[in-house]
Amino acid sequence: GAVVSQHPSRVICKSGTSVKIECRSLDFQATTMFWYRQFPKQSLMLMATSNEGSKATYEQGVEKDKFLINHASLTLSTLTVTSAHPEDSSFYICSARDSAGWGELFFGEGSRLTVL
Amino acid sequence: GENVEQHPSTLSVQEGDSAVIKCTYSDSASNYFPWYKQELGKRPQLIIDIRSNVGEKKDQRIAVTLNKTAKHFSLHITETQPEDSAVYFCAATKNSGGSNYKLTFGKGTLLTVNP
Repeated sequence: GAVVSQHPSRVICKSGTSVKIECRSLDFQATTMFWYRQFPKQSLMLMATSNEGSKATYEQGVEKDKFLINHASLTLSTLTVTSAHPEDSSFYICSARDSAGWGELFFGEGSRLTVL
Repeated sequence: GENVEQHPSTLSVQEGDSAVIKCTYSDSASNYFPWYKQELGKRPQLIIDIRSNVGEKKDQRIAVTLNKTAKHFSLHITETQPEDSAVYFCAATKNSGGSNYKLTFGKGTLLTVNP
């Protein structure tokens, strides 16, 4: 199946710094990618839909200035957590499907962010 | 928007027994229902999915049933094995074509298969 690669898998940063997470579709093009946040023992919470060449669509309650999303190419979307605070510590997962539609949704490996 | 309820939140079975996880959805227009398995600290992986034009789908020990009238769908795992232990998520969406349809996930079921 298709592969979605996410980097870094783990990151520890100091409060107030910004962290960038990359999500790449390795063998297919993805006009749309999705970013999720997952707390321990909880479900996947959709944060935003990343659209290639246009602005991301954020879910209600998600601060767009806090979580900056850029989808500059058909194979790369980035999530930047700006001015991170301890409450931003979480597991962030991206996903994508082949632009052909009806395709399986493939997930990245996830990035565990710890803000000290 | 869509709302997906999943039960039970935890399920413990003996190896070899069957496990059933149930989900209900609210939007009658939803037409695609995937199930994902997530092992601890790893990415969710699709294990089976069903579209609204069929009532049942089977893949070896895993099967999914869909009741559109009642708006519920279930995951059935037979002859469970310890490696089936994981968190299982159901999801639902209305797919009208294209790649940008959003999935709404249930809250997950922690399945433990005891040897």
